[in-house]
Amino acid sequence: DAGVTQSPTHLIKTRGQHVTLRCSPISGHKSVSWYQQVLGQGPQFIFQYYEKEERGRGNFPDRFSARQFPNYSSELNVNALLLGDSALYLCASSSDRGGETQYFGPGTRLLVL
Amino acid sequence: SQQGEEDPQALSIQEGENATMNCSYKTSINNLQWYRQNSGRGLVHLILIRSNEREKHSGRLRVTLDTSKKSSSLLITASRAADTASYFCATDEGGGFKTIFGAGTRLFVKA
Repeated sequence: DAGVTQSPTHLIKTRGQHVTLRCSPISGHKSVSWYQQVLGQGPQFIFQYYEKEERGRGNFPDRFSARQFPNYSSELNVNALLLGDSALYLCASSSDRGGETQYFGPGTRLLVL
Repeated sequence: SQQGEEDPQALSIQEGENATMNCSYKTSINNLQWYRQNSGRGLVHLILIRSNEREKHSGRLRVTLDTSKKSSSLLITASRAADTASYFCATDEGGGFKTIFGAGTRLFVKA
């Protein structure tokens, strides 16, 4: 079975631009969560979606938004990019509403210049 | 904000030795999980321990949970070079809709 997939794997943007990151969960998983991991730190929770509805949101500005589609795949959008948005963005899926085992994708490495 | 705080920040041991990492958290939890990350890649789930459990084993891994002290420990026995990675504890928050990770322990196992 395919694991969690993310695209693209790497991305370079300039300040002020917009970026869209994509995630496909494990087949049958209805919950998708997004995390930002800055070099040397642990992942920071951004969003959780379950059954296409936002169930949890971390301490991130409104420049960050996400959505989940009927097939449970998800997009993370970041507007007006800042240098500090440079990070590894991780997507994780789980079979339930949350708090249980999450399966992570390989991440998208975003560099903002 | 980060709920889990791992200790030590970095640990270097010889192959065959045991490695112990500790995690402390701040609020009440339903469960606590440990993950491993190799070289900035995706995280791999290692073990989940629920708030009503005190100890759990999985292969060479042993996890303990002390809810009165709000702390957990991960023991890796007979370590191997392949265990070199960053290890994170993670706790649930907000009814399980928010997972909070610590800053991690960097483990180096020398062959």
